[in-house]
Amino acid sequence: KAGVTQTPRYLIKTRGQQVTLSCSPISGHRSVSWYQQTPGQGLQFLFEYFSETQRNKGNFPGRFSGRQFSNSRSEMNVSTLELGDSALYLCASSLVPSTEAFFGQGTRLTVV
Amino acid sequence: AQRVTQPEKLLSVFKGAPVELKCNYSYSGSPELFWYVQYSRQRLQLLLRHISRESIKGFTADLNKGETSFHLKKPFAQEEDSAMYYCALSGGRGGGSQGNLIFGKGTKLSVKP
Repeated sequence: KAGVTQTPRYLIKTRGQQVTLSCSPISGHRSVSWYQQTPGQGLQFLFEYFSETQRNKGNFPGRFSGRQFSNSRSEMNVSTLELGDSALYLCASSLVPSTEAFFGQGTRLTVV
Repeated sequence: AQRVTQPEKLLSVFKGAPVELKCNYSYSGSPELFWYVQYSRQRLQLLLRHISRESIKGFTADLNKGETSFHLKKPFAQEEDSAMYYCALSGGRGGGSQGNLIFGKGTKLSVKP
């Protein structure tokens, strides 16, 4: 079966711009989570969605937002980009929240 | 505060030697702990979770609530075990959720021939 797909794989944006990242979960999975990975802070939880509802949110500013669609696909948006937002953004999906999470390959965002 | 600490950034051992990757956690309540692994150029994947008490690829981990630890062990390391290992704690509401994980910063295991 196809794994978690994240698009685009690489992205370069300028400070102040906004960006939207997409995540297609494994077919049948209804839970999607997002993480930010940086060399300094490691993997940090951003959001968790289940059946189009946000279940949990990490400690990130309001510039970071997300949503989940009825087909379980998810997007995250970062507005007013800052240099510090440069990171690898990982998406993970699972059947339901308590089951194994499968990770995508990530989107590498560079803010210049 | 909920926190996962992996004290070693890098652990280097020879093939056949025992391996122990340390993980300590801070959590108020009944935690659920996981080990994730990322092999070179591959995705992050679940290695094991404490509630299943399985042995995966020869690795085991026991939750010690008294010492708040969840160390990953393997008696005889293999070269193919070389990878980045992350300890993680299930946080947020909804017990057992793997959708809200608090990760340690990871330990890079290098197994030399």
